[in-house]
Amino acid sequence: DIQMTQSPSSLSASVGDRVTITCRASQGISNYLAWFQQKPGKAPKSLIYAASSLQSGVPSKFSGSGSGTDFTLTISSLQPEDFATYYCQQYNSYPRTFGGGTKVEIK
Amino acid sequence: QVQLQESGPGLVKPSQTLSLTCTVSGGSISSGGYYWSWIRQHPGKGLEWIGYIYYSGSTYYNPSLKSRVTISVDTSKNQFSLKLSSVTAADTAVYYCARESYSSGWGTDYWGQGTLVTVSS
Repeated sequence: DIQMTQSPSSLSASVGDRVTITCRASQGISNYLAWFQQKPGKAPKSLIYAASSLQSGVPSKFSGSGSGTDFTLTISSLQPEDFATYYCQQYNSYPRTFGGGTKVEIK
Repeated sequence: QVQLQESGPGLVKPSQTLSLTCTVSGGSISSGGYYWSWIRQHPGKGLEWIGYIYYSGSTYYNPSLKSRVTISVDTSKNQFSLKLSSVTAADTAVYYCARESYSSGWGTDYWGQGTLVTVSS
């Protein structure tokens, strides 16, 4: 299985901050990388596919980049509704695997 | 707008079979270009991909669960289902159904709201 490692596992940030989360794959996955946002007690929400493409309806403050083994999710200006846990997922090979999550908390 | 909704028992006894159904609305399972998947999340933990099915019935399962998992599809009801046999407390989790879409580069675009299944006697 491909291991997905996210860092940091948690971070504290203020409203308006620019936040970057990193995801590293244990082997190359081209750009078959997705990002999800999950709030407590809710289902994950799809944000990004193909490493950098926004899902329909997702605001442009979210952006993704990377290819191969190293990827980032950036939130350009953190808003109160963005405090959540973020997961990356590779879908280059089976089984699909997820990162351990990054919890974004209010400073 | 596509919607997915899980249904099934919230409590299953150890050694029995967990059975869940996902009903899809706002789109047809038979239209092609989608994989219909199951994902679970243990309490307070991360996400685990269980497997998926195409409308034709072809499947792929996570090898860690393969011996116990069956995913099936009923195109007439626009539903797909998950069966997990010989459950233990370790199978207690929130189970999500989801859709992987060709138009999203085979990324997951829609999720159900999830249903908590507790394995306990």
